[in-house]
Amino acid sequence: NAGVMQNPRHLVRRRGQEARLRCSPMKGHSHVYWYRQLPEEGLKFMVYLQKENIIDESGMPKERFSAEFPKEGPSILRIQQVVRGDSAAYFCASSPGDTRIYGYTFGSGTRLTVV
Amino acid sequence: QQPVQSPQAVILREGEDAVINCSSSKALYSVHWYRQKHGEAPVFLMILLKGGEQKGHEKISASFNEKKQQSSLYLTASQLSYSGTYFCGTGKTILTGGGNKLTFGTGTQLKVEL
Repeated sequence: NAGVMQNPRHLVRRRGQEARLRCSPMKGHSHVYWYRQLPEEGLKFMVYLQKENIIDESGMPKERFSAEFPKEGPSILRIQQVVRGDSAAYFCASSPGDTRIYGYTFGSGTRLTVV
Repeated sequence: QQPVQSPQAVILREGEDAVINCSSSKALYSVHWYRQKHGEAPVFLMILLKGGEQKGHEKISASFNEKKQQSSLYLTASQLSYSGTYFCGTGKTILTGGGNKLTFGTGTQLKVEL
């Protein structure tokens, strides 16, 4: 089992460009979560998705950020017109369902640097 | 509201014990514990569901006091490999499907030295 696959591992973007972060959950996992982590800080929830549905996006900034989890293919976190403050590690996690029973499996993260 | 962890940081000599606390101002329905090594992804340790529940994982165990809205992680006879940042995560199962948005705590940095 390949685990949660995130790519790219490192992404450098100039201010104003778009960043696309991809996440393929573990096989059999239908729940995907995105978190952001600033250096030396904790994990901040962004969005929770199931296939073709956004369940909870209460942690997503209202502008420039969007997420999807299509029927086919990976989940995508998209940041438009990036600014320096978007620089962070973005982690994707997946679970098979009931997180009263199962913990999250995290991917290795994408480290976004905006220059 | 983000759970508060204490202590913020702790340094141990190999073989010593440590306790990490996670407190919430809101009612806790379940508590997850994770460890993150520098530059790596967080790794799941365990879940606690019921008040008073205790669980063990090798020499790492945890308890959950629902009334106090607190969970504690116990590391006994620490090893160098225990070094990392420990996070608790709390959440309420939302809907159909049982998914659960976790709110993670402030983190505790643990360093084990020889």
